[in-house]
This record gives sequence, C-alpha cells and structure tokens, in this order.
Amino acid sequence: EAQVTQNPRYLITVTGKKLTVTCSQNMNHEYMSWYRQDPGLGLRQIYYSMNVEVTDKGDVPEGYKVSRKEKRNFPLILESPSPNQTSLYFCASRKYSLEGPGNTIYFGEGSWLTVV
Amino acid sequence: RKEVEQDPGPFNVPEGATVAFNCTYSNSASQSFFWYRQDCRKEPKLLMSVYSSGNEDGRFTAQLNRASQYISLLIRDSKLSDSATYLCVVNPGDSNYQLIWGAGTKLIIKP
Repeated sequence: EAQVTQNPRYLITVTGKKLTVTCSQNMNHEYMSWYRQDPGLGLRQIYYSMNVEVTDKGDVPEGYKVSRKEKRNFPLILESPSPNQTSLYFCASRKYSLEGPGNTIYFGEGSWLTVV
Repeated sequence: RKEVEQDPGPFNVPEGATVAFNCTYSNSASQSFFWYRQDCRKEPKLLMSVYSSGNEDGRFTAQLNRASQYISLLIRDSKLSDSATYLCVVNPGDSNYQLIWGAGTKLIIKP
C-alpha cells in the first residue's frame, strides 16, 4: 500500500528542546516536501527535496532543517523550537514532475506540534 | 494579492443541492491545476486534476478559465460526506514541480 508515514503524530515540547519529525515513503518517489498548515493560511512549504542529497528552501524555512540521505526518508529538524512553530505539519511525496499521470501528492497523516 | 485565492467560506448547503466555488490565481503562466479535499484534522487528498477542456468525475466537475484566471469546482447532488475543506492547488509554471496552495474553502452539507 502506498504510504507516507510520519512520526510523532502528536507532540508537546518546550522552547529550545531540539526535536525531529521523521517521514518515510514507500513509493520510490523522488520529490518529498514538508508543509506546515495554520488556520487561514493554507499549506506553506518549509523545505523540499528533489532527490537524495538535494534539498532546497520553501516559503517558510526559518527555524527548520532537513536532510535527505536516503530516498525514502526526509526528516524535519527543529533545532531550537519556539512557540511560533506550533502548527500542524505534513510530509508529502510524489514523482518529480507534475506532468503526466501519477502526479498525485501523497501526504502523511500529519504531526500536531505544540511548543510551550 | 495572494498567488492563489479562495473564498474561505464556510458554505452551508442543504443536502442534495448543487454548490460551486472558485479559485483565482495570479500567474497567467500557471500550468497545472488540482483540487484536493481535506477532512478536519486529516491530510489532503487529491480530488481531481483540472484540465483545459474541463473534466467531470461523477458528481464533481472542474473547469478552468484561463482568460479570467480561475478554476472552479461544481458539486451536484451534494452528500453529507462532501463536507470538507476544498483546496485549490496551482503549478505557477516557472518549474514543473512547484505548487502553490490556496487556503481552502470550507463546505458544510446540512441534512
């Protein structure tokens, strides 16, 4: 079954305590990305990766890091979380190009992160 | 002006009615268009791609108006299960992999 798995699903943490949200996909997709979703703002891209060892900033990268050492994994790292990073986070993957069939974006179930 | 704009709603619609909502985009070079559905606190899922000639999938019809730079989604014979937030997604055309997401239109179908 095609799947994007992210963990943890729910987390409450304190300001400044480093955390990592893991993301794994089983579809051999080249393209992976992280989004955050806040009320009234829709999905905003944090970082994306077009393939192994290729990552780039999205629209809201400040305060986040990512790595893509393997094709299937794309962890999101918050080195020093702050309350304004409280949000719902989604990992997503798809084939690289939007052209042609099979361009569906697959999302993980989301990670609710609260920073106090 | 936002690159992709949607009326946030909510649209409160009786079951069985027809409802339509639009999404406007600012970049005339935009290439690909999609509608995603998101249930409360869940991940978005692809509802349908939007093709230049318009396309239909059961009770759902999507249309593209390039001249006025908007896409639309029409839902006929609405069901309670159609209650969700509908997200408009646009590829702005300057690459074949980037996407811009609208903030979504919330639809509530009432019995």
